[in-house]
Amino acid sequence: AQTVTQSQPEMSVQEAETVTLSCTYDTSESDYYLFWYKQPPSRQMILVIRQEAYKQQNATENRFSVNFQKAAKSFSLKISDSQLGDAAMYFCAYRQGSGAGSYQLTFGKGTKLSVIP
Amino acid sequence: DAGVTQSPTHLIKTRGQHVTLRCSPISGHKSVSWYQQVLGQGPQFIFQYYEKEERGRGNFPDRFSARQFPNYSSELNVNALLLGDSALYLCASSTTYRASYYGYTFGSGTRLTVV
Repeated sequence: AQTVTQSQPEMSVQEAETVTLSCTYDTSESDYYLFWYKQPPSRQMILVIRQEAYKQQNATENRFSVNFQKAAKSFSLKISDSQLGDAAMYFCAYRQGSGAGSYQLTFGKGTKLSVIP
Repeated sequence: DAGVTQSPTHLIKTRGQHVTLRCSPISGHKSVSWYQQVLGQGPQFIFQYYEKEERGRGNFPDRFSARQFPNYSSELNVNALLLGDSALYLCASSTTYRASYYGYTFGSGTRLTVV
């Protein structure tokens, strides 16, 4: 079974600074997707960024970028120029890319990010 | 366009009771998945439905059941409620069950409290 580990229960960052959230995962598959979701107090899970395992290039979405190390099974999220609105729970998630069965997301336990004005 | 809508937003039930949670996917989305998020944890997969058929089931007891209707909306039913069923129940929809590029869109969830 696939597992996702987020080793930082809480992180804090000064406004306008950069922060990196860590995620490691375990899988025997070669085809899969990785995601970072943001969950603000409104509770809705919002997709921040996705990465296809077969792509060597790290994904980037505006101030958000990932460092994908496939061999090390590591998938960290870097938030640049942090803003107050970035404060939320961040979840790393894994999903298989092909094959039979369902395509459920496997989530880590999350990292609570606080942004200090 | 409306996003994924879930009802009710909050619910309080007594142990042993039954509960039904509802989810309406984004228009055009044919797949619905349900997740349980216990306080302080990441969401855990319960069910996935696509075209009214169950595509996957997580490690949950038979007290949990679900179905998908012809309009692609979905219900999650939980029988004989336990205190441990208290959680945020999230619904996610996608165009297909693989949701490869577009990913999943989540609703804001139903907060269930069992007393």
